Amino acid sequence: EPEVTQTPSHQVTQMGQEVILRCVPISNHLYFYWYRQILGQKVEFLVSFYNNEISEKSEIFDDQFSVERPDGSNFTLKIRSTKLEDSAMYFCASRAGQGRNEKLFFGSGTQLSVL
Amino acid sequence: AQSVAQPEDQVNVAEGNPLTVKCTYSVSGNPYLFWYVQYPNRGLQFLLKYITGDNLVKGSYGFEAEFNKSQTSFHLKKPSALVSDSALYFCAVRDNTGFQKLVFGTGTRLLVSP
Repeated sequence: EPEVTQTPSHQVTQMGQEVILRCVPISNHLYFYWYRQILGQKVEFLVSFYNNEISEKSEIFDDQFSVERPDGSNFTLKIRSTKLEDSAMYFCASRAGQGRNEKLFFGSGTQLSVL
Repeated sequence: AQSVAQPEDQVNVAEGNPLTVKCTYSVSGNPYLFWYVQYPNRGLQFLLKYITGDNLVKGSYGFEAEFNKSQTSFHLKKPSALVSDSALYFCAVRDNTGFQKLVFGTGTRLLVSP
């Protein structure tokens, strides 16, 4: 089965530093998402991306966050100035279309630790 | 707004016994419901979904889920649990507005003892 690939699997950074989390969605997919999961808590929606622009974002996704699809294959999440509370597992997901039989494929996640 | 509730933080069951992981939902319009499983240090893996049709949905690894419209529930079940089923299980509902993000429950940890 095709996979969504995320790198790195773990990222440790100092508070205030910028981080970029990388994702390679499944090649024919058109809809892309970032979710995060703070340890022991539920999986939360951050942002969705379609046709090279943000289609929806949550209140978590403030001005410190941005997403890009720079080259048609990678899908990145940037946090400009990390805070302690950004420590979480970040999941990338993608889907081929909007049909009701379409399912969301998730990557294995990037564990971000902000010190 | 769409939401799901998983009332149990943890479910304990002995291997070989049937298991149920509970989920209730709140949606406007037709519910599109999903179960995902998360093994340690892994991403979310799709188990099954309900879109329409039969109320009993069969999925991966012998799991099934029963859609009950009157009770707004979508409980995950398996007739005979395995130790390897121990994981974190998430119920989710598709937001039928916008770009159809999934809204997840808080998760239920399933522990299957030998």
